[in-house]
Amino acid sequence: GAVVSQHPSWVICKSGTSVKIECRSLDFQATTMFWYRQFPKQSLMLMATSNEGSKATYEQGVEKDKFLINHASLTLSTLTVTSAHPEDSSFYICSATSTGSSGNTIYFGEGSWLTVV
Amino acid sequence: QKEVEQDPGPLSVPEGAIVSLNCTYSNSAFQYFMWYRQYSRKGPELLMYTYSSGNKEDGRFTAQVDKSSKYISLFIRDSQPSDSATYLCAMSKNSNSGYALNFGKGTSLLVTP
Repeated sequence: GAVVSQHPSWVICKSGTSVKIECRSLDFQATTMFWYRQFPKQSLMLMATSNEGSKATYEQGVEKDKFLINHASLTLSTLTVTSAHPEDSSFYICSATSTGSSGNTIYFGEGSWLTVV
Repeated sequence: QKEVEQDPGPLSVPEGAIVSLNCTYSNSAFQYFMWYRQYSRKGPELLMYTYSSGNKEDGRFTAQVDKSSKYISLFIRDSQPSDSATYLCAMSKNSNSGYALNFGKGTSLLVTP
């Protein structure tokens, strides 16, 4: 069945460096993908909507220059956390919607744990 | 006021009990309602999906949506220790190019043997 793959699952980076997280739809095309962030014991919060071939749409309070999103193809969206700081340590997860004859289905990646030290 | 409110619990029940999980919301534009289960350090897993008001049953799980009260519920019958997880309600208001979900905070459920 349709699967969304997210990589890496775990990443540790030094403060001030940048880290890239990939989100791939493995057997369907997604013109739109979504990036969420989840802090411990908190809900998943939508960060941005990734649009293939155009600029991402960011939610209020999310810095677009810090969280760079690139959706260069119909199966790949990337989130780059630039100049990461310890407060950026969180669980980042993407989702994509598969459109089929029986309707739309949302698939989530497995998520990426980012620790900034 | 957050758009989706959910009691974080924790909720502890004995094995075999009926579990009731609930969410309220404030945005009347929400049309799609979902319940996800999330195990520790894993991505959310879709349990139930409902469009507009009504009930939906799938095995031991029943989802109810009352749009007039802006209230949704998930019932788990004959709960099992393997049901221990965090349950997140989520809802969406558009379906044109994909679903941006608004999540509740999640309710932590513990089913004890």
